Amino acid sequence: SQTIHQWPATLVQPVGSPLSLECTVEGTSNPNLYWYRQAAGRGLQLLFYSVGIGQISSEVPQNLSASRPQDRQFILSSKKLLLSDSGFYLCAWSRQIGGYTFGSGTRLTVV
Amino acid sequence: QKEVEQNSGPLSVPEGAIASLNCTYSDRGSQSFFWYRQYSGKSPELIMSIYSNGDKEDGRFTAQLNKASQYVSLLIRDSQPSDSATYLCAVAASGGSYIPTFGRGTSLIVHP
Repeated sequence: SQTIHQWPATLVQPVGSPLSLECTVEGTSNPNLYWYRQAAGRGLQLLFYSVGIGQISSEVPQNLSASRPQDRQFILSSKKLLLSDSGFYLCAWSRQIGGYTFGSGTRLTVV
Repeated sequence: QKEVEQNSGPLSVPEGAIASLNCTYSDRGSQSFFWYRQYSGKSPELIMSIYSNGDKEDGRFTAQLNKASQYVSLLIRDSQPSDSATYLCAVAASGGSYIPTFGRGTSLIVHP
């Protein structure tokens, strides 16, 4: 069976510090991978998606970046966090057609 | 701009009743429809997917799709307090990346 791992679960970071969130998928190959952010009381905002190694599409221009160094690994990064980067970050995977399986999420608070 | 609209609620129903959650979408080319359940502080969980007009039943859940009216709904029979959560509707078009557009969700409260 397929599983998705996302860590850390919670993170408190000062403004201007770097960020690295990691997501890995097990039990499937060549998954579509996604990073979403959910701000308090708001909907899901697609940040990045990837259909293969090294292939990253950005949906929202901002100070975040994503990388896919391996087939089942997806990393979300920032060089300098802003207060507005606070939120609930969700990694997800899917086959080409079908619903998502989300990771457990990372709650990021920028202080 | 593809839009998926849901009433934010909260929708409050008594235990044992049928909860009806509704979703409308703007893109007539939409082919895939999903319902996710999200408990407070947790990540969304896929509970239903539907691809053709009509009803699809899974346990206490029934998804209903009407493409002509651009409308998809989720019925929860015999609602339980454990069903209290936010329900997200997601709609994807055919072709391209199949990335769905999410609604903002409807909060459901099932009271004993």
